[in-house]
Amino acid sequence: EAGVAQSPRYKIIEKRQSVAFWCNPISGHATLYWYQQILGQGPKLLIQFQNNGVVDDSQLPKDRFSAERLKGVDSTLKIQPAKLEDSAVYLCASSRWMLDSYNEQFFGPGTRLTVL
Amino acid sequence: EDQVTQSPEALRLQEGESSSLNCSYTVSGLRGLFWYRQDPGKGPEFLFTLYSAGEEKEKERLKATLTKKESFLHITAPKPEDSATYLCAVNNAGNMLTFGGGTRLMVKP
Repeated sequence: EAGVAQSPRYKIIEKRQSVAFWCNPISGHATLYWYQQILGQGPKLLIQFQNNGVVDDSQLPKDRFSAERLKGVDSTLKIQPAKLEDSAVYLCASSRWMLDSYNEQFFGPGTRLTVL
Repeated sequence: EDQVTQSPEALRLQEGESSSLNCSYTVSGLRGLFWYRQDPGKGPEFLFTLYSAGEEKEKERLKATLTKKESFLHITAPKPEDSATYLCAVNNAGNMLTFGGGTRLMVKP
């Protein structure tokens, strides 16, 4: 079974530029998550999708971050404009139907973003 | 607000020296406590899920236990390949994961 795919793996940009990350979840997984992991910290949930609908985006800085999951499969996360404090690893994860109490999340390798 | 605190932040062990990692939590409606392992440059890898106080799960040299307020990850006779960051997370009634800051484990030969 193929895992969660993410691209690019690394990205370096100047502050105020824009950037986009792509995620392709495990086939058949209805739920998709984007996390931000700052160096030395645990992942923090940014947004959760169920199929192509947003379940929770309470921790997404909506003035600069946006995410979409068209057709309920792959997803993109965009930052515009980027700030220095956005430097982090952006992790994508997927899981089966969200009401399943097992709810094991499978993570991709992440995209390491450096904002200069 | 759900909170997860892990201790210690970092732990150095000699190969074969057993120890425990702690995860303290407060959550509204626990629907599972998860342990993940994260190697440098990789995403977290699932280890265990615990659902109720008193539950225990084992995998090779790792054993996870759960009480109403905390979970322990016991490492018996660790090997250098067990070196990684171990993350604890709680799943609440809203099916959201809240992670702790992790424990960075280094096992020296």
